[in-house]
Amino acid sequence: DVKVTQSSRYLVKRTGEKVFLECVQDMDHENMFWYRQDPGLGLRLIYFSYDVKMKEKGDIPEGYSVSREKKERFSLILESASTNQTSMYLCASSLKPTGDEQYFGPGTRLTVT
Amino acid sequence: QKEVEQDPGPLSVPEGAIVSLNCTYSNSAFQYFMWYRQYSRKGPELLMYTYSSGNKEDGRFTAQVDKSSKYISLFIRDSQPSDSATYLCAMRGSARQLTFGSGTQLTVLP
Repeated sequence: DVKVTQSSRYLVKRTGEKVFLECVQDMDHENMFWYRQDPGLGLRLIYFSYDVKMKEKGDIPEGYSVSREKKERFSLILESASTNQTSMYLCASSLKPTGDEQYFGPGTRLTVT
Repeated sequence: QKEVEQDPGPLSVPEGAIVSLNCTYSNSAFQYFMWYRQYSRKGPELLMYTYSSGNKEDGRFTAQVDKSSKYISLFIRDSQPSDSATYLCAMRGSARQLTFGSGTQLTVLP
């Protein structure tokens, strides 16, 4: 079974803090993704990575950065958290180079106050 | 206008009913279509994957794609309370990234 784990289920941070969200997958998948999920907006892609040290911007990269130093780990960084970054953050991985058949982690509910 | 439109519901049906969930899209380049199921407080999980037009069946689930109408459907036969979840459609063209619908919340009442 593919397992994608995320470091925290719930996180509360203050405006201006630097926030790290960690994601680890155990199936040797090349491709990893970070999404945010908001009511009425569905899942929106923030960044994705198809190889170690490689990253590509998704639809809403502003205010975020990522790091992929090891194949199994993909980190999302909020350099200076703002209240409009309060959201559910979902990490996913995929074996297919096309990014199909993604396996998701349980999500991190981030609240920025 | 969003590239993918999905009625958010909520949709409530009695156990045993046939459920129809739908998405429409505007990008004619989309060729790969997926349905994900997301239980409360969990991440989405892939339910169905289809390429181009046609039908695909897997147990009680049938995915249908009509590219000429830019319309996809997921049918659930003999619905069960355990099917209560949010259903997300997703699709892509030649790019690596998926475009998701906003999800339809389904409740199957015992």
